[in-house]
Formats: sequence, C-alpha cells, structure tokens
Amino acid sequence: AQSVTQLGSHVSVSEGALVLLRCNYSSSVPPYLFWYVQYPNQGLQLLLKYTTGATLVKGINGFEAEFKKSETSFHLTKPSAHMSDAAEYFCVRFGNEKLTFGTGTRLTIIP
Amino acid sequence: NAGVTQTPKFQVLKTGQSMTLQCAQDMNHEYMSWYRQDPGMGLRLIHYSVGAGITDQGEVPNGYNVSRSTTEDFPLRLLSAAPSQTSVYFCGSRAPRGDNSPLHFGNGTRLTVT
Repeated sequence: AQSVTQLGSHVSVSEGALVLLRCNYSSSVPPYLFWYVQYPNQGLQLLLKYTTGATLVKGINGFEAEFKKSETSFHLTKPSAHMSDAAEYFCVRFGNEKLTFGTGTRLTIIP
Repeated sequence: NAGVTQTPKFQVLKTGQSMTLQCAQDMNHEYMSWYRQDPGMGLRLIHYSVGAGITDQGEVPNGYNVSRSTTEDFPLRLLSAAPSQTSVYFCGSRAPRGDNSPLHFGNGTRLTVT
C-alpha cells in the first residue's frame, strides 16, 4: 500500500535554528505529496504541495520541501525557526482517490 | 468565503446514541472525505465520495455511515456510538482535476462518547 513515513514524532529546535522534518514515501510514480500544519486546537492548513518535475517546493511561512526521488524523500525545512512555528506537521500522500497521512511530527521551539 | 463548514464543533454522546456530523462545502468540489484524528495516529480516512451518489470506504469505516445526495453536503452518521469513537473528526473537500490539488479542511468536530 502507498504510504508516507514521518521520522520523529517530536522535534525540538531552538528559536532561530534550522527546522528539518523528515518524510519518506513508498515508491510509486508519480507521487502526489503535501505538507500540512496544524496549530494547537485548530484545523489543518496546507503548507505546500509537490509539483511534478520540481526538486524544491516553496510554501507559506518560509517553509520549503526538497523532493529527492533517489531517496524517496520529501523533507520539510525552514532556515530559521520562529516561536509561531510550534505546531504539528503532517506529510500527506494522494493516491487511488485517497489521501494518506503520516503520523505527524510535533515541533517545539525552545526560546 | 465559507469553504468547508463542519457542525457541531463539540458533542458529547452516551454509548449507544446516534448522531450525524454535518459537513458542507461551497466550492463545488466533487471530492469529499471524512477523517478521524487520534493522538499518535495522524488522520485516518473513514469514508470518501468522488461525487454525488457515490461513496466508498476508507481505512476505518466500521460504525460509520455516509451518503452524498448533493455535491455540497457529506454527512457522517454514527449509528450506535461507542467510546472508541471518541476523537476529533475532520471533513475535507478537493477539486477533482489534478492529483496535486490539495484537500481543504473544516475546523473539526470534537466528539466524546461516555
């Protein structure tokens, strides 16, 4: 079955440090991938989506994701963490009319 | 723009009671779906619909029914609530064209079954 795997259920970084949230997908061509963010007690908001042929995808709030077919990865990064980035992040894959969610990574920002 | 609207926001049920979670969208999206969110498990697909009159099961359909009589509405019915159905439920819709079209979510319904 098509799936996504998020490595690390909790990630803590200092304010101003690099944010790296990992996502690997099961091999298929082409993958339709997204990153969503969920702030505390809120719904889910689209951060970015993969576009076929792109290697680097830019999203909102300074986030971007790099697609690496050779590593079947779609990791999310942000150069400098802000306190407002504290949230849960989900890597999502679409296939066979279904969106499959990773189990999520909770990002904590240390002041 | 209303987008995807879910009602109610909160609900408490007793075991065995039934209820319907409402979901409506005003974006003329053909695809609609229901997810439940539980700690450490991400979001799991309950049921989905690719258009009016068409529904299909997702990963965790047991105990839930859906129907899609109009493009706008996709209600989720709990036939006989159980404590295991305590969860946060999200409805989502997406445009039919292009598999990289994102899912638009409602704000969720927090359900507690006692």
